[in-house]
Amino acid sequence: GENVEQHPSTLSVQEGDSAVIKCTYSDSASNYFPWYKQELGKRPQLIIDIRSNVGEKKDQRIAVTLNKTAKHFSLHITETQPEDSAVYFCAASLGTGFQKLVFGTGTRLLVSP
Amino acid sequence: EAGVTQSPTHLIKTRGQQATLRCSPISGHTSVYWYQQALGLGLQFLLWYDEGEERNRGNFPPRFSGRQFPNYSSELNVNALELEDSALYLCASSLAVTGGWGTDTQYFGPGTRLTVL
Repeated sequence: GENVEQHPSTLSVQEGDSAVIKCTYSDSASNYFPWYKQELGKRPQLIIDIRSNVGEKKDQRIAVTLNKTAKHFSLHITETQPEDSAVYFCAASLGTGFQKLVFGTGTRLLVSP
Repeated sequence: EAGVTQSPTHLIKTRGQQATLRCSPISGHTSVYWYQQALGLGLQFLLWYDEGEERNRGNFPPRFSGRQFPNYSSELNVNALELEDSALYLCASSLAVTGGWGTDTQYFGPGTRLTVL
């Protein structure tokens, strides 16, 4: 069935540390995996996405890795800063040609100065 | 370039009433999606419209419906409101499905917070 599991639900780190959030998906046909950041009271903002034809993608301090065989993907944030504090959602597309995204339940990241 | 806009920002209704939420996509985007985000929970897919037609819907009862207009803006209607319908309703837009990759990046609006009393 359609399912994306996300862990951990909360993550507290010290400024400068790295943070890793992991998601697993169930639909083997999923081919698009975006990550969104949602600050309190604001809209979800796309921070990085990856398609199934690549295994890793980086954008400055943010990287995403994808393991299609194991059906899991991870968000890596290095040198965390207090402004990285937010709720992060992973998502996976449902099937090929489908625009439906199935979202994880979110990870609340708290970066302490 | 203007982003996705939604109105109203807040909406307060009572049980049994109807609510209408509106969304304007990014210029050039033809697909509009609706999501429900209940307090403390993730985003639940509601509906997807493209080129004026409903393409897919999530596991929600028929009292959740909507439409897309010729200018690609969209309305979400919720009939016979129930207390558990209280949530943030997010609209997103994207370009049309392209090639074999299917899914295009979805950009979210600020949401409409619906409170049912």
